[in-house]
Amino acid sequence: QQQVKQSPQSLIVQKGGISIINCAYENTAFDYFPWYQQFPGKGPALLIAIRPDVSEKKEGRFTISFNKSAKQFSLHIMDSQPGDSATYFCAARDRGSTLGRLYFGRGTQLTVWP
Amino acid sequence: DVKVTQSSRYLVKRTGEKVFLECVQDMDHENMFWYRQDPGLGLRLIYFSYDVKMKEKGDIPEGYSVSREKKERFSLILESASTNQTSMYLCASSQTSGRAGEQFFGPGTRLTVL
Repeated sequence: QQQVKQSPQSLIVQKGGISIINCAYENTAFDYFPWYQQFPGKGPALLIAIRPDVSEKKEGRFTISFNKSAKQFSLHIMDSQPGDSATYFCAARDRGSTLGRLYFGRGTQLTVWP
Repeated sequence: DVKVTQSSRYLVKRTGEKVFLECVQDMDHENMFWYRQDPGLGLRLIYFSYDVKMKEKGDIPEGYSVSREKKERFSLILESASTNQTSMYLCASSQTSGRAGEQFFGPGTRLTVL
C-alpha cells in the first residue's frame, strides 16, 4: 500500500509558468515532509522540507503548501526555468521512526520548455 | 559536504550471478538505506540499517540481502541475480539525531541483468 500518493506523473510547463505537484497521505503520524529533486544521472537531493506546524514554507522560487486537515501538501515552482527540469519526489517521515525512514511518492517528471 | 559514493555507476551481470553493490558514506551517519528506482514506481526501499551489523527489511527485500560490517559501509547483495532485478540502485545515509529525516543519496548504480 502506497503511503504517499503523488500526482501528476509527468508535467510539462512553459518557461516562466508555475509548476504544481501534489501529494497526499493518510498516516497522521507523519511529522516531516521533504521534497527531493533528481537530475538525470544523479541521486535525489533534498530541495525543501516542511513540518506540519506551518502551512507554508518558501525558499526562493520553491514553495511548499501544507494542508494538515486534508492531509495534502504540494510543491509550487514559480517562474519555472528549463534548469528546473528534473524528477521531483515528495516524501514523509513517521514521527515514531527514529531511524529517519522516509516514504516516497512515485515521482513527477517535470519538463520546462524554453 | 556529505558524500555518499557507490562502487559502480554501471554494471552488467548474467542471470544467476552473485552481485555486490557497495556504498560508502563519509559523514559518520548512523542510518543507511538501499533503494531501487524504476520508472513510474519511484523509490522503493529494499533494506536499511541503523547500526553496524543491524538491518531491517524494507518494502521489497525478496531476492536481496545486506551487510554492514563498518559504520561507513553498506553493501547490497543479490544472491542470484535475475532479469527482474535490472534497475537503478540508490544508496542513502542519514543521521539519527538533529536533522533526522534528511537523506543524502549516492549517484546510483545502473544494474543490467542479462
